[in-house]
Amino acid sequence: AQTVTQSQPEMSVQEAETVTLSCTYDTSENNYYLFWYKQPPSRQMILVIRQEAYKQQNATENRFSVNFQKAAKSFSLKISDSQLGDTAMYFCAFMSSNAGNMLTFGGGTRLMVKP
Amino acid sequence: DAGVIQSPRHEVTEMGQEVTLRCKPISGHNSLFWYRQTMMRGLELLIYFNNNVPIDDSGMPEDRFSAKMPNASFSTLKIQPSEPRDSAVYFCASSSQLGANVLTFGAGSRLTVL
Repeated sequence: AQTVTQSQPEMSVQEAETVTLSCTYDTSENNYYLFWYKQPPSRQMILVIRQEAYKQQNATENRFSVNFQKAAKSFSLKISDSQLGDTAMYFCAFMSSNAGNMLTFGGGTRLMVKP
Repeated sequence: DAGVIQSPRHEVTEMGQEVTLRCKPISGHNSLFWYRQTMMRGLELLIYFNNNVPIDDSGMPEDRFSAKMPNASFSTLKIQPSEPRDSAVYFCASSSQLGANVLTFGAGSRLTVL
């Protein structure tokens, strides 16, 4: 079974600065997908970014980018120019390519952006 | 599209009562998932359906929990009888096998069992 580990329960960053959230996972598969979801206080789960394991190029979405290290099974999220609205729980998630679209989530990192 | 719609948003009930949570997936999505979120256990997959058929229910805690998907536009998660340890936020999500493997989540149903 796959496992996803987020080793940072809480982090904080000053507004406009950059922060990196860590995620590692364990799998024996070669093809899979990785995701970061954001959960603000409203509790809505919002997709931030998606990475396909067969793509070497790191995914980017505006101020959000990932550092995908397949050999190390690491998938960190970098948030540039942090904004107050980025304050939320961030969940890393794994999806196998051959088990439906089931997501396995990490424990989450609570990010606080300070003014 | 209005997204994944869940009801109720909040429910407070007493131990022993039956609870029914409802979900309407995004039109055209053929996979539906029920997740439970608690402080202690995080986000756990309870059950998922593909084309209205339950595929994996290994995450369903016990026989008190049951889920149905009678058609492509509706699913229920029922707890009978409810217990205080069932208190959690229950999320429904849907996805399309033809899409980018992205799950879209509903706003969640917060259940409190007294």
